[in-house]
Amino acid sequence: ENVLTQSPATLSLSPGERATLSCRASQSVSNYLAWYQQKPGQAPRLLMYDASNRATGIPARFSGSGSGTDFTLTISSLEPEDFAVYYCQQRSNWPPTFGQGTKLEIK
Amino acid sequence: QVQLVQSGAEVKKPGASVKVSCKASGYTFTSHAIHWVRQAPGQRLEWMGWIDAGNGNTKYSQKFQGRVTITRDTSASTAHMELSSLRSEDTAVYYCARTYNTWFDHWGQGTLVTVSS
Repeated sequence: ENVLTQSPATLSLSPGERATLSCRASQSVSNYLAWYQQKPGQAPRLLMYDASNRATGIPARFSGSGSGTDFTLTISSLEPEDFAVYYCQQRSNWPPTFGQGTKLEIK
Repeated sequence: QVQLVQSGAEVKKPGASVKVSCKASGYTFTSHAIHWVRQAPGQRLEWMGWIDAGNGNTKYSQKFQGRVTITRDTSASTAHMELSSLRSEDTAVYYCARTYNTWFDHWGQGTLVTVSS
């Protein structure tokens, strides 16, 4: 299966700062990659799909880039509600797989 | 609005089975697949299988093949996931999720299944 590795495991930043999260796939996924946000006690929420498309209702401060094996999720200016765990997920290779997550915490 | 509402928490003994339900509303149930994803404590999300809510076709992860069964009841707009031969490692939160253009765009609230003797 296609293993997704996210880095860093934890990112400590302050509101207003820029966040850059990475996801690397063990095999190429073309652009078939999504990002999800998960807050404690909640289900994941779709943020980005097809690497760079924002899901419905997602603010413009979230952006995604990359193709092949290397992907980035960028949050341009952190809001208090953005501190959460972020997962990447691929659907190019069966079965669908997720990364281990990056925890974005308040510094 | 689209909603997926799952059944409540379960406590099961090793070797038993559990059946989790996922009731959909706010869209045409048969137009979208339903997937099941679980999250064990401290672990990454893990895809288990899916069902085409329209024709009932299913596909399962090799890891769970033989232990998981996903069904749907179109009259009730509900999908079910049954996992058998439970062991302690199956303790997790189980989510159903709808796919739109193959991405998980809406999720249920999760169902905690605890396996303990």
